[in-house]
Amino acid sequence: DIVMTQSPLSLPVTPGEPASISCRSSQSLLHRNGNNYLDWYLQKPGHSPQLLIYFASNRASGVPDRFSGSGSGTDFTLKISRVEAEDVGVYYCMQALQPPRTFGPGTKVEIK
Amino acid sequence: QVRLVQSGAEVKRPGASVKVSCKASGYNFIDYTLHWVRQAPGQGLEWLGWIDRDSGKIQYSQKFQGRLTITRDTYATTAYMELSRLISEDTAVYFCAREGQTSGWYEGCDYWGQGAPVTVSS
Repeated sequence: DIVMTQSPLSLPVTPGEPASISCRSSQSLLHRNGNNYLDWYLQKPGHSPQLLIYFASNRASGVPDRFSGSGSGTDFTLKISRVEAEDVGVYYCMQALQPPRTFGPGTKVEIK
Repeated sequence: QVRLVQSGAEVKRPGASVKVSCKASGYNFIDYTLHWVRQAPGQGLEWLGWIDRDSGKIQYSQKFQGRLTITRDTYATTAYMELSRLISEDTAVYFCAREGQTSGWYEGCDYWGQGAPVTVSS
């Protein structure tokens, strides 16, 4: 199974400031079709997860452009250009390259 | 609009089985793969398996092989997840999630059900 790790696990943020979360996989997520099968999800308190990013850098429909994803192979990053209060929750990366799909442990983002 | 509506909370005894449903609407049901994911209290997300959009082929996490059954009723546009021989560690919220696609290209799990809490307790 592909093991996913994230850092930091806890991230206090100041509204209006940028934030960054790192995700690493135990093997490359780069498919022969040229896409990295890495998603980012946000789970707000008391809610189901919601898709932010797929293929490492493609923003899902309706996701604000302050969210961006980057990286390739085994190292990926989610960036929030200017954090807003509504961005609090737990952020998960997930590899979609092969079964079993595996998630990172999650990064809890909270307002300072 | 796309909706995934799951069945309600369940309380089960150890050793029993639980069946959770996921009613899909607002899209062509068989055009999208459906995943099942669970979340134990205070814990992260754990993938259970999927049912493929075209073939209906099922892929299970090896961890649950033999205890987990995923099915679908295309007429009722409903998917089901049944977990047997329950233990206390199966206490979790169980989510269904649609895998988005356009012309076969992967687009992440774009819609999720509201979650179905399952408690296993004697």
